[in-house]
Amino acid sequence: GAVVSQHPSRVICKSGTSVKIECRSLDFQATTMFWYRQFPKKSLMLMATSNEGSKATYEQGVEKDKFLINHASLTLSTLTVTSAHPEDSSFYICSAKGSGGSNTGELFFGEGSRLTVL
Amino acid sequence: QKEVEQNSGPLSVPEGAIASLNCTYSDRGSQSFFWYRQYSGKSPELIMSIYSNGDKEDGRFTAQLNKASQYVSLLIRDSQPSDSATYLCAVNFSGGYNKLIFGAGTRLAVHP
Repeated sequence: GAVVSQHPSRVICKSGTSVKIECRSLDFQATTMFWYRQFPKKSLMLMATSNEGSKATYEQGVEKDKFLINHASLTLSTLTVTSAHPEDSSFYICSAKGSGGSNTGELFFGEGSRLTVL
Repeated sequence: QKEVEQNSGPLSVPEGAIASLNCTYSDRGSQSFFWYRQYSGKSPELIMSIYSNGDKEDGRFTAQLNKASQYVSLLIRDSQPSDSATYLCAVNFSGGYNKLIFGAGTRLAVHP
């Protein structure tokens, strides 16, 4: 299957700082990428959908000014958690949908990034 | 509201038995359905996808879809301890950018 790489896998930061997480599609072009967050023993919650070259679409309740998403190329999307607070500590996972083939909705997931805000 | 419902478990089965995982969804127009496996601390990995009513088999895994009843299930035959994980049901709801909505997951424990 397609490979999606996410970096960093773990990050610890102080409260009030900003953290950037990168998501790259390594062997295909991803026109659409999705960002999820997951709290312990909970399911994945979709945060936003980003399309290459356009603004991200945020799910209800997700602060777009806090979670900045940039999808500047067909292989890279970034999520920046601005002014992070301890409640932002979570497992953030990106996923990508390929640009070709049937529109079946299959997603390829990155390895995830565990953010801990002190 | 778009919803995907799963029993959180844990579902405990002995090694070699069949594990049956179930999922219901709210959007009758949904066309694509997926089962993902997630080990603790890892991201989900795709196990099965199914788009048509009926059964789809892949090795020890069989996905079953019934759109009229709005449920999808996953059977794991000859369960192994390595199958112990959380299984997430995901539904591609109609409309929008093919975004997947996930259920809460069912935790499966296969004991020797």
